[in-house]
Amino acid sequence: EAQVTQNPRYLITVTGKKLTVTCSQNMNHEYMSWYRQDPGLGLRQIYYSMNVEVTDKGDVPEGYKVSRKEKRNFPLILESPSPNQTSLYFCASSLTRGPYEQYFGPGTRLTVT
Amino acid sequence: QKEVEQDPGPLSVPEGAIVSLNCTYSNSAFQYFMWYRQYSRKGPELLMYTYSSGNKEDGRFTAQVDKSSKYISLFIRDSQPSDSATYLCAMISNDMRFGAGTRLTVKP
Repeated sequence: EAQVTQNPRYLITVTGKKLTVTCSQNMNHEYMSWYRQDPGLGLRQIYYSMNVEVTDKGDVPEGYKVSRKEKRNFPLILESPSPNQTSLYFCASSLTRGPYEQYFGPGTRLTVT
Repeated sequence: QKEVEQDPGPLSVPEGAIVSLNCTYSNSAFQYFMWYRQYSRKGPELLMYTYSSGNKEDGRFTAQVDKSSKYISLFIRDSQPSDSATYLCAMISNDMRFGAGTRLTVKP
C-alpha cells in the first residue's frame, strides 16, 4: 500500500529534550515536506526537500532541523523543543518536484511542557 | 491580512444538500489551486486540483476558480454523512499557502 508513515503518532515531552519525528514514504517520491497545523492558522510549511541531500526552509523553520540522506526518509528534529512547538505535525510527499498533489502522513501530535 | 482566507465554519447541512465551500486570496500570483479533505485524526488528502480559472468536475465535487475575483469554491452535490470533514483550500505560486479549513458536518 502506497503511504506516508510517521512515528510516533503522539508524543509528550519536556522543554529542551531533543526529539526526532520520523517520516517515511514508499512511493519513490522526489519531494518531501514537513508542516505544522495550528488552530486558525492552517498548515504551515517547516522544511522541504526536493531530492536526496537537498533541503530548504519553509515558512516556519526556526527551532527545527531536517535531513534527507535517503529518498524515502525525511526526519524532523527538534534540538531543544519549547512549548510554542506544541502542534500537530504532518509529513507529506509528492512525485512531482514541488508541493503539487501531495500525500500526507497521519500526523504526529506533539506536546511540549 | 492573511494571504488566504477561509471561513472556519462550522457548517452543518442535511444529507443530500448542496454544499458550497469558499476561499478568497490576495496574492494574484497564485496559479495552482487545490482542495484537501481532512477527516478527524487523519492527514489531509487531495480532492481536487486546478490550474486555471473555470470549473473542474469530479463526481459529486466541482471546483471553481475565479482569478479575477481571487475567489475559489468547492461544491459538493448530494452531500453524504461520509463527507463530514474539514476542507482545506491551498494555493501555489512560488510558495504554497493553505486556508485554515472549514469544518463540515452532514447530518443523516
